[in-house]
Amino acid sequence: DAKTTQPNSMESNEEEPVHLPCNHSTISGTDYIHWYRQLPSQGPEYVIHGLTSNVNNRMASLAIAEDRKSSTLILHRATLRDAAVYYCILSQTVGAGGTSYGKLTFGQGTILTVHP
Amino acid sequence: GAGVSQSPSNKVTEKGKDVELRCDPISGHTALYWYRQSLGQGLEFLIYFQGNSAPDKSGLPSDRFSAERTGGSVSTLTIQRTQQEDSAVYLCASILQGSGYGYTFGSGTRLTVV
Repeated sequence: DAKTTQPNSMESNEEEPVHLPCNHSTISGTDYIHWYRQLPSQGPEYVIHGLTSNVNNRMASLAIAEDRKSSTLILHRATLRDAAVYYCILSQTVGAGGTSYGKLTFGQGTILTVHP
Repeated sequence: GAGVSQSPSNKVTEKGKDVELRCDPISGHTALYWYRQSLGQGLEFLIYFQGNSAPDKSGLPSDRFSAERTGGSVSTLTIQRTQQEDSAVYLCASILQGSGYGYTFGSGTRLTVV
C-alpha cells in the first residue's frame, strides 16, 4: 500500500481555518485520497475523498496537488468539535466503475487541537 | 438501522476464554471490514468481506482469530483462547461499494482481557 506522511500534531484557534497537509509521493494512478477523523472514544468518521480534482462537501474541502503527491484537508472555520485525529489514507479502487474502494490502511494521523 | 451497530460495547473476559463480537452493518452495504485499535495506536486491518467473494483474511494476527458474515449482513468476529495482548477496541465498518461515499464505522467493542 502507498504510504502517507502527516504531521503528528497541529493546533488551531476556534473560528479560524485549518489546513491539514498530507504527503503521498508514491501514490498510484488508481489511488483515491481519503480523509477520516476520529473523535475521542468514537470510531472513525468519513470526511471527504477525491482522485484528482479538488472536492468540497459540508464538512471540509480537499485540495489535491496537480502531481497528486500531496493534498490538504481544509476546515474552513474550526470549532471545538473538530478536535480529533485526522487520517489521510490512500485506497485503491477495486472492481469496475472506479467508485469501489479497497481496504483502508490507517497511519498515525494528525492530532488537531482547537483552542477556544 | 441508520448506522453500524456493534455489540457488546464493552467486554471484559478472562485470559484463555473465547469471545464473540458482533457487527450489524448498514442495511444494503455490500462490504464489511473489521479493524482493531490498541490504546494510543492507529487502526489495524483484520479482515474484509465483499459480497460473495472469499474474505480477505490477510490482517488476522493469528489462527485464534476468525470471522464470518452470515447472509451478507451480520458479522461475528471470534477470538479463541484470548490473550492480554488482544485487549483493544474492535471496530467494524461497512460501505456500499459503488456509491462514491466512504466507509461508515461503528463505535466499536472495547475488549479487555484480564
